[in-house]
Amino acid sequence: DAGITQSPRYKITETGRQVTLMCHQTWSHSYMFWYRQDLGHGLRLIYYSAAADITDKGEVPDGYVVSRSKTENFPLTLESATRSQTSVYFCASSPPRQGAGEKLFFGSGTQLSVL
Amino acid sequence: GENVEQHPSTLSVQEGDSAVIKCTYSDSASNYFPWYKQELGKRPQLIIDIRSNVGEKKDQRIAVTLNKTAKHFSLHITETQPEDSAVYFCAVKAAGNKLTFGGGTRVLVKP
Repeated sequence: DAGITQSPRYKITETGRQVTLMCHQTWSHSYMFWYRQDLGHGLRLIYYSAAADITDKGEVPDGYVVSRSKTENFPLTLESATRSQTSVYFCASSPPRQGAGEKLFFGSGTQLSVL
Repeated sequence: GENVEQHPSTLSVQEGDSAVIKCTYSDSASNYFPWYKQELGKRPQLIIDIRSNVGEKKDQRIAVTLNKTAKHFSLHITETQPEDSAVYFCAVKAAGNKLTFGGGTRVLVKP
């Protein structure tokens, strides 16, 4: 699904640094989501957005900031990275013609290591 | 919020046998129940879904059953093949337009 892309694919950073993960989709999907994937926890929702300039917290929002100034972009920022934020991060989008937030299309993920 | 529990966490089956994964949820208002498959190193992909007004749905070798009264749903894979080896996630949509995922089941199909 080339329609949703994440960058970088891999990222190594140090504790205390700010990191931004990028997500871009070309489908004009209204809904976009950020999940983190950790062993034993499945996929946990960090933040989501129903449209440009509309964002809301998910299950595990602490330490993260999002913005959505344009429909196609939904960056995720770790303001001051901690080791507990080492994870694989997936961005996803949902087409408006389905029930909102249902059929998710995932990006290829960003593997983040915080040393 | 919604709580989704998935069992088992790992499942090993012989090729050709069936595999069953079960999920339970807490919110009786939940109305949409998808299953995602994630192959090693890849992104999760939707394989089948069901809505609360339907009890069962089939797509070739996979099926999902829903018991709203008991608040559980299951994924059934018949005639398993090596390419079915992956991690499977159930999810639930309740209030708000977002999904809550189960913890995942690692399925290994032995040839």
